[in-house]
Amino acid sequence: QVKLQQSGAELVKPGASVKLSCKTSGYTFSTSYMSWFKQIPGQSIEWIGMIYAGDGGTGYNQKFKGKATLTVDTSSSTAYMDLSSLTTEDSAVYFCARGTFDYWGQGVMVTVSS
Amino acid sequence: DVVLTQTPSILSATIGQSVSISCRSSQSLLDSDGNTYLYWFLQRPGQSPQRLIYLVSNLGSGVPNRFSGSGSGTDFTLKISGVEAEDLGVYYCMQATHAPTFGSGTKLEIK
Repeated sequence: QVKLQQSGAELVKPGASVKLSCKTSGYTFSTSYMSWFKQIPGQSIEWIGMIYAGDGGTGYNQKFKGKATLTVDTSSSTAYMDLSSLTTEDSAVYFCARGTFDYWGQGVMVTVSS
Repeated sequence: DVVLTQTPSILSATIGQSVSISCRSSQSLLDSDGNTYLYWFLQRPGQSPQRLIYLVSNLGSGVPNRFSGSGSGTDFTLKISGVEAEDLGVYYCMQATHAPTFGSGTKLEIK
């Protein structure tokens, strides 16, 4: 069955970077898309961007350009998102979701605090 | 950005009641390929979003048929025909015709 397993919760200091992972199984990762989303608890959801695993091609929400970088490792069927220059406004739950949004990771809480 | 306006923001229903949620878009969601990329999700407390409906009216795999979606252009509706206790949570519409955006959510409470 299709699974998207995200890495564990992160506590990071302001100004630092963090790399989140989304390990997949149960489908052909190398010909699929992966999207990433941000959700501050109690608020709605924002789309960060999307990557095509076939060629690494990406598309980003303008708001997150320079903040998020999406990559994939097809050998391990894993998608990654780097978040840089973190501030308290980046504290949120981050989700990965397969191309047609039918399967989602469990989410990972990122807390930015000194 | 495309703005999706969801109403109501809170919905209180009894078990067995039928309810509807509206989602209105600031722009047409009809794509040049003929598809309308409008989705509905349910996010139960503490969980990831679950896709209920895709392309306006198609039921997701394993989703009960008491859920249905309709609409076109800029006006869309999710209907639950006979609410069950497991349906509580926050419902979101999302469009992916343009850069994806979500509505603000409708919280379904069970009376």
